Amino acid sequence: DAMVIQNPRYQVTQFGKPVTLSCSQTLNHNVMYWYQQKSSQAPKLLFHYYDKDFNNEADTPDNFQSRRPNTSFCFLDIRSPGLGDAAMYLCATSRVGTSGRVADTQYFGPGTRLTVL
Amino acid sequence: RKEVEQDPGPFNVPEGATVAFNCTYSNSASQSFFWYRQDCRKEPKLLMSVYSSGNEDGRFTAQLNRASQYISLLIRDSKLSDSATYLCVVSSGGGADGLTFGKGTHLIIQP
Repeated sequence: DAMVIQNPRYQVTQFGKPVTLSCSQTLNHNVMYWYQQKSSQAPKLLFHYYDKDFNNEADTPDNFQSRRPNTSFCFLDIRSPGLGDAAMYLCATSRVGTSGRVADTQYFGPGTRLTVL
Repeated sequence: RKEVEQDPGPFNVPEGATVAFNCTYSNSASQSFFWYRQDCRKEPKLLMSVYSSGNEDGRFTAQLNRASQYISLLIRDSKLSDSATYLCVVSSGGGADGLTFGKGTHLIIQP
């Protein structure tokens, strides 16, 4: 049973045309993350939501935004994709307990591979 | 200085052999350590967590040396299906901090 679902699996967009990637989870985890992974590179954290609190990494470009309308869903919006934004975008979830520590490790979705023409 | 460093390989190893990977991390405040496996064009999947006491899961053994800030993974009796990229991962372990990944070590098991 899929626990972290990403749609679409493959996305093609044009240079400068806004695109939205979707992630949903059935784990009821309170934290959702977005990573960017370019070819032959390590996944790089863009931002995360801890419940409704948005936490942006310092070096994440303004071109990348995120929304979390409810616990289950999180969206990645790329306002004006450039050629350099072509990558695999990975959504992950984890659960942080009342102690403030991560109770589970992170579970990754299958990723969305973005192509920018 | 990179936060998590790994030898990218590739490591070409005959089936049945034992292979070991190391990685080093720069943040001495790191609290949680993992090895993830990533197959070509797929998402990373947790292979095992790494504890100071060392831990073993079947053919896989992981070790952590906090003093030297390095983590190791040993694979015994390697199988063709072990061919993948192995990612060394650390986190501060507190709150909702994201994971910091190494670039990965590419392993190819040859028949």
